[in-house]
Amino acid sequence: DAGVTQSPTHLIKTRGQQVTLRCSPKSGHDTVSWYQQALGQGPQFIFQYYEEEERQRGNFPDRFSGHQFPNYSSELNVNALLLGDSALYLCASSTGQGSYEQYFGPGTRLTVT
Amino acid sequence: AQSVTQPDIHITVSEGASLELRCNYSYGATPYLFWYVQSPGQGLQLLLKYFSGDTLVQGIKGFEAEFKRSQSSFNLRKPSVHWSDAAEYFCAVGAETGANNLFFGTGTRLTVIP
Repeated sequence: DAGVTQSPTHLIKTRGQQVTLRCSPKSGHDTVSWYQQALGQGPQFIFQYYEEEERQRGNFPDRFSGHQFPNYSSELNVNALLLGDSALYLCASSTGQGSYEQYFGPGTRLTVT
Repeated sequence: AQSVTQPDIHITVSEGASLELRCNYSYGATPYLFWYVQSPGQGLQLLLKYFSGDTLVQGIKGFEAEFKRSQSSFNLRKPSVHWSDAAEYFCAVGAETGANNLFFGTGTRLTVIP
């Protein structure tokens, strides 16, 4: 049973560019959440997707957007990259019925230069 | 609003010694509490969770945690630490409203001395 997978593993971008990160949830899970983990910090909630719609959003600007596909996989898009966007981006999957138990992927390390 | 505080940034213990990592939470009702572990360059692995019931919960890898409502704490313990336990540990609480997202503390880095 495959767990949560994310791609790519690492990414280097330049300020002002746009980036897309991808996530496939654990088998049987239909909800995907995205978190940003800056160096030395705990993960911070960006947003959550369920039934192909954004269900909840954390305190992140509109430069951060996402999408969920019919197969429950998800993308995180970040526009107009800033140096401060450099972080580990974690995807977590869960079931849609109010389950707090989330399974995390290995993350994508984004470096903005 | 919900929040989590992990007072210890870094803890060093000798292999075989006991371990306690502290976690304090702020939450309006009965919280959903979690401990995750993160090895260098890796994602988060769930160690244990508390939803309700018995206040002492057992997790994987020999870890346990005790929920104390009166102290707003959910401390993680292990009786005998192994070198492989060296990692970053995060305490988290479930959101009070809206989606089932988590609020994390800033983490405690555990170093194990041989």
